[in-house]
Amino acid sequence: GEDVEQSLFLSVREGDSSVINCTYTDSSSTYLYWYKQEPGAGLQLLTYIFSNMDMKQDQRLTVLLNKKDKHLSLRIADTQTGDSAIYFCAESIKGTYKYIFGTGTRLKVLA
Amino acid sequence: GAVVSQHPSRVICKSGTSVKIECRSLDFQATTMFWYRQFPKKSLMLMATSNEGSKATYEQGVEKDKFLINHASLTLSTLTVTSAHPEDSSFYICSAQNRQGYGYTFGSGTRLTVV
Repeated sequence: GEDVEQSLFLSVREGDSSVINCTYTDSSSTYLYWYKQEPGAGLQLLTYIFSNMDMKQDQRLTVLLNKKDKHLSLRIADTQTGDSAIYFCAESIKGTYKYIFGTGTRLKVLA
Repeated sequence: GAVVSQHPSRVICKSGTSVKIECRSLDFQATTMFWYRQFPKKSLMLMATSNEGSKATYEQGVEKDKFLINHASLTLSTLTVTSAHPEDSSFYICSAQNRQGYGYTFGSGTRLTVV
């Protein structure tokens, strides 16, 4: 079945880069997404990548996709304390509206 | 654009009562909305797909008689937790497909506490 996995925690110092990793199992995914969830809030779409792309950069965010290994990563450059949140990767299931979410990675940025 | 409003943000109810949660697309029409449940420190689990003008499609293991979904208009879907029990306490989030056709806009979530 479909499964998306992430490490649960990541701690970085302010100004450093953060790299959040995600592995997925459904090779037919068309889009893969990164969402940010701040405490007590809903999910905010950060960025997405189409499955035929290897990389996408959007300001401080860089998404890398290794389709062969089914590995997705999100790199946040110059991490700030406001980046502290839970980050979810998600894959869309081809032919459906469904998303499969990862378990979420809690990013803590130390001042 | 593509704002989804969810109400209420927090609700506390007594066991045995019912609670209704609203999900509205404010500046776009959403023929399909989704309801998720998030357990503490866990990922989001899709509960059901809400289709305007027709019955909702529930995921396996989700009790349709317990979690009533109504999608009466193109901008409103409601989730009613009936005869709530403490184990129904959770964070419920709705989402709708945005205008661009990719990605979904999420509501801000509803924290339900059943006492």
